Amino acid sequence: ILNVEQSPQSLHVQEGDSTNFTCSFPSSNFYALHWYRWETAKSPEALFVMTLNGDEKKKGRISATLNTKEGYSYLYIKGSQPEDSATYLCAFRKRKDSNYQLIWGAGTKLIIKP
Amino acid sequence: DAGVIQSPRHEVTEMGQEVTLRCKPISGHDYLFWYRQTMMRGLELLIYFNNNVPIDDSGMPEDRFSAKMPNASFSTLKIQPSEPRDSAVYFCASSQTVNYGYTFGSGTRLTVV
Repeated sequence: ILNVEQSPQSLHVQEGDSTNFTCSFPSSNFYALHWYRWETAKSPEALFVMTLNGDEKKKGRISATLNTKEGYSYLYIKGSQPEDSATYLCAFRKRKDSNYQLIWGAGTKLIIKP
Repeated sequence: DAGVIQSPRHEVTEMGQEVTLRCKPISGHDYLFWYRQTMMRGLELLIYFNNNVPIDDSGMPEDRFSAKMPNASFSTLKIQPSEPRDSAVYFCASSQTVNYGYTFGSGTRLTVV
């Protein structure tokens, strides 16, 4: 059984503060790690796909790091804004799995307080 | 590109009726996925296609559910007969290759009464 765990489950952050949260996944047979942002009443939007240990990706104020040896990824948001309020999902794909499926975490719900 | 297009956006139907959800993936994307979102289970993969061929339908709840992809630009998810417990938001997503993220459609909110 593959488990992808995200923490915390929810997070309240003051506008302007920076924050980060974690995605943990099995460290063996790693292929790729995805991050998505899911705003209420919308559909999930891809942020990053990370494949190499030590990968760092950045998109505006949002960045992510990847450690495949220990099986975790961090998502960072710098200077949080109200529009960052969303659920952030990570998803893991196993190496050499010809069945292309992502194993999804339950998400971290981020609420930015003005 | 207009993105992944799903129709209808909302569907209200009576128990026992047939429901058909439609999806048009992004042109050039080889993979198409059908997901269901519920409060209890979050995002749940129902079935996915690669080059129009169903690869894994192990997530399809039961025989009442069926999905087809007759060509690269169209897929349907059918529920017959529908039941109240099928009420959920159904998402279609497509992906270019295994190294790319998914692009999701806007979803179809299904309510079975």
